[in-house]
Amino acid sequence: DIQMTQSPSTLSASVGDRVTITCRASQRISTWLAWYQQKPAKAPKLLIQKVSNLESGVPSRFSGSGSGTEFTLTISSLQPDDFATYYCQQYNFFPVTFGQGTKLQI
Amino acid sequence: EVQLLESGGGLVQSGESLRLSCAVSGFTFSTYAMAWVRQAPGKGLEWVSTIGGSGVGTYYAGSVKGRFTISRDNSKNILYLQMNSLTVEDTAMYYCATSKTQGVAVPWDYWGQGALVTVSS
Repeated sequence: DIQMTQSPSTLSASVGDRVTITCRASQRISTWLAWYQQKPAKAPKLLIQKVSNLESGVPSRFSGSGSGTEFTLTISSLQPDDFATYYCQQYNFFPVTFGQGTKLQI
Repeated sequence: EVQLLESGGGLVQSGESLRLSCAVSGFTFSTYAMAWVRQAPGKGLEWVSTIGGSGVGTYYAGSVKGRFTISRDNSKNILYLQMNSLTVEDTAMYYCATSKTQGVAVPWDYWGQGALVTVSS
């Protein structure tokens, strides 16, 4: 199985900060990498697919990059609504696997 | 508007069975793969199973293979997850999910609100 490792596990930041979350895959996954945002007691929300393709309605302050085994999610200027947990997901191979999550907190 | 509505969750004892359902509306159900994803209390997301649009291809996480069965009724727009031999490690919120992208290994655009399954020892 492909292991997805996110760092950091917890990130403390302030409104207006630029933050980056890293996701490393245990083997190459091409560009089959997605990012989700999850708020407490809510279902995950797809933000980005294929490394850098922003979903419709997702603010442009979110961006994704990377290839092969290392990927990043960047939020250029944090807004109050962005404080949540973020997960990366590889969907190149079954079993589909997620990172352990990064909790973004104030 | 695409809507997914899970049902069938509840409290069961270890070793018992439960069947989850996910009723889907607002898109062409039979065209797209469907998946179940779970989240144990306070933990991260874990993919459980995926089924192709026609229902022919099925895929399972190792932790549930042989105990869980995914199926779908394309005439009723309903996805199922039959869960047998449940253990306390299966306690989780179970989400059904689907994608606007065709294929089986895809990211999921649409999610239900979740069904809570609690397994007691």
